[in-house]
Amino acid sequence: DIVMTQSPLSLPVTPGEPASISCRSSQSLLHRSGYHFLDWYVQKPGQSPKVLIYLTSNRASGVPDRFSGSGSGTDFTLRISRVEAGDVGVYYCMQALQTPRAFGQGTKLEIK
Amino acid sequence: QVQLQESGPGLVKPSETLSLTCTVSGGSISNYYWSWIRQPPGKGLEFLGYIYSSGITNYNPSLRSRVTMSADTSKSQFSLNLKYVTAADTAVYFCARFTEHQLKSDSYYYLEVWGKGTSVTVSS
Repeated sequence: DIVMTQSPLSLPVTPGEPASISCRSSQSLLHRSGYHFLDWYVQKPGQSPKVLIYLTSNRASGVPDRFSGSGSGTDFTLRISRVEAGDVGVYYCMQALQTPRAFGQGTKLEIK
Repeated sequence: QVQLQESGPGLVKPSETLSLTCTVSGGSISNYYWSWIRQPPGKGLEFLGYIYSSGITNYNPSLRSRVTMSADTSKSQFSLNLKYVTAADTAVYFCARFTEHQLKSDSYYYLEVWGKGTSVTVSS
């Protein structure tokens, strides 16, 4: 099974500042199509998870362009260009290459 | 707009079977992949498996032979059964729908629609 490892696990950020979350997979997420099969989800307090980014870098519908995803091979990054108070929550990466799908441990973003 | 709603008992006794249903409204259950994900208290997300509307399933091997998923297109529902539960199965259980993104000669699926989740406690 593919294991996903995120860092940091806790991320205090000042509003207006950028933030970055790293996600590493135990094996390459490169698919035969040439794409890397990875999603990012956010779970805000008291809510169910919501997709932010799919296929490594595609923003889901309604997601502001402050959010961007990148990466290749086994290393992936979610970036928030300017953090807002409403971005508080736990961010998860998830590999979509193999079954069973697997999530990272989650990164808790909090406002300083 | 498609909405998902989980339902089922909030308390299950150890060694018994946990049974949950996800009701889909605002859209068809047909021709989609549907999944179950759970979250133990204070912990992260665990993908349990998925079912296609035709009944094809794929389960997380970590659940071994305890898990069964089914779909009832006439009722716009799909279900999760988890046998021989223990305290380790205490969690919030989410149902979710995969959305397809077409690639040149493949498809990519991501979890776009989620239910609000239902809390299940395993205790005598």
